[in-house]
This record gives sequence, structure tokens and C-alpha cells, in this order.
Amino acid sequence: EVQLVESGGGLIQPGGSLRLSCAASGVTVSRHYMSWVRQAPGKGLEWVSIIYGSGSTFYADSVRGRFTISRDNSKNTLYLQMNNLRADDTAVYYCSLYYYRMPYWGQGTLVTVSS
Amino acid sequence: EIVLTQSPATLSLSPGERATLSCRASQTFTNTYLAWYQQKPGRAPRVLIYTSSTRATGIPDRFSGSGSGTDFTLTISRLEPEDFAVYYCQHYGDSQISFGQGTRLEIK
Repeated sequence: EVQLVESGGGLIQPGGSLRLSCAASGVTVSRHYMSWVRQAPGKGLEWVSIIYGSGSTFYADSVRGRFTISRDNSKNTLYLQMNNLRADDTAVYYCSLYYYRMPYWGQGTLVTVSS
Repeated sequence: EIVLTQSPATLSLSPGERATLSCRASQTFTNTYLAWYQQKPGRAPRVLIYTSSTRATGIPDRFSGSGSGTDFTLTISRLEPEDFAVYYCQHYGDSQISFGQGTRLEIK
């Protein structure tokens, strides 16, 4: 069974950095593309970034240059390094994996950017 | 970038009725990687349908998806009380992922 567990969220001041993790089980992350999606309070779903099995990465305009997606194949874990955080980055962050075209999602981790 | 537009924004129906939710893309998909999600307050999105018409594991058969090209539909054949929630469509399998803005299905 594919399971994804996010961690690393919390309260951070504007301009600060945070690294989110997404630990996968039941699947090998390096073989499938994975993404981060976020949801601001009371808002819809917003795609953030994607990484393919090849290692190619893509970003939404709102985070390009500030966020970096990566993975550690030995730990079977996906990461999102978030720098220069702003108030409008406040959201629940979800990781997702596309396993033979079926999406799997974690339960999310809350990031709050506030002074 | 493919923009997804969902309609209606809000749908008011009664239990037992049929619900039809629409998702229209700004350009034709090169694949059929269109998913539908249900989300309840405080919960992660739950995948209902993927590749436009394949039901995810454990999803009741009252949920069905259809469509291709630029027009996709989620149909709930007979609404149960637990079906009232927000529904999102998603395009994936490309260098970008996009979501519709959501349809709120509320009890009439």
C-alpha cells in the first residue's frame, strides 16, 4: 500500500526558511513523478512543484527561485526547501505521487508564515 | 499552462438526486490525465477518479467520470449525505499540474 507522510511544517517568520519532508512507503520514489501542492486557508488547491523520475523539476511562478524540490532515493523521501518565505506562503502543503497514473496524497503539513 | 474552469461554483441538491459537475480545459489535453477529488473541511483531498474515468480503489460506483479533449464531467448518480463536499478537477502528467477552482456541493 502506498503511503505518504509529510513533516516539517510549523510557524516561521517572514524571510525565513523551512524544509518539508515527505516519507514514502510501499513505493520507490525514484521511479515515479511526485509533486507538492498547497492550500491556503479557505482557498483552493495550488500546484507548487514537480519532480520526475529523471530528476527534471518544474515550479509554479509564485515559488520559482525561492523553493527547491528534491528527493533522497536512499531514504525514499521527497523534500521541499522553502526560502525567503512570505505571508502568502501560509498553507497546508501536501505531497503527492503518481503511481501508474493514479495519484496518491499525504495528509499534509501546515506552514504558517507570520511575525 | 492549461487552465481548468469548473462549473457551477456551487451546486445545491437534495440527497437522492443526481449531480453533474463540469470541468473545462483551456486547451486540449495530450493525454487523459484528468482526476477528480472530494475534499471535506480539515481533510486532505480524496481521489475519486483518475485518467478521466477510472474509479480509485474503494470509491462507490455512484461516482463516475467521463470526457476527453477539453470537456470532462463528474457524475454522482444518487447523492448520499456524505457526498456533500467540495470537488476539484486536476490535470497532471505534464510539466505543470493545474487544478480547477472547485465546485461546492451543498444540501438544498
